[in-house]
Amino acid sequence: DQQVKQNSPSLSVQEGRISILNCDYTNSMFDYFLWYKKYPAEGPTFLISISSIKDKNEDGRFTVFLNKSAKHLSLHIVPSQPGDSAVYFCAASAIKAAGNKLTFGGGTRVLVKP
Amino acid sequence: NAGVTQTPKFQVLKTGQSMTLQCAQDMNHNSMYWYRQDPGMGLRLIYYSASEGTTDKGEVPNGYNVSRLNKREFSLRLESAAPSQTSVYFCASGYGQHNYGYTFGSGTRLTVV
Repeated sequence: DQQVKQNSPSLSVQEGRISILNCDYTNSMFDYFLWYKKYPAEGPTFLISISSIKDKNEDGRFTVFLNKSAKHLSLHIVPSQPGDSAVYFCAASAIKAAGNKLTFGGGTRVLVKP
Repeated sequence: NAGVTQTPKFQVLKTGQSMTLQCAQDMNHNSMYWYRQDPGMGLRLIYYSASEGTTDKGEVPNGYNVSRLNKREFSLRLESAAPSQTSVYFCASGYGQHNYGYTFGSGTRLTVV
């Protein structure tokens, strides 16, 4: 049973518009959330994170929103650029989890059209 | 360049063969991890090492063994490869603290025929 789910396997958006990626989790012990970006033939790279004590974190064009009551988070990319075309993974961890293990969602492939 | 180095990048094995995937990091990280990536399944944790000298099972450990050789190196061994182990394998490392993420290697694409 997947504890972190990304229900949209793919997303296509026009350059300059907003990309919204969604992620849901089931484990109420999760209290730290991260987004990773992955290009083909490369490893995932850290993009942005948020602690459960916050409901929003912003870094340039990227904003992550957290709704703890709904166990839902989203990543907004504004404006979307062709270089944003990649697979995005949502991940979660729990402070009591040994070894700081991250649980990942299935990923969302984003295609930004020029 | 600092980071996580995985070898080999590609490998084809026959069913029943064995092999070891190597991983080394030069960031003085305490924790190291092995994940596999399969379509639609995201990244699933195989084994991890929270610190030098310790290893623990993750979500999908069956068919694999690991060795934390020293603080820098963490290897993954397939003793008898099966087609179900065809996947892309990623090694990662981190400080092992709750509010830090990981640094990933570039992956090993393994095909078992």
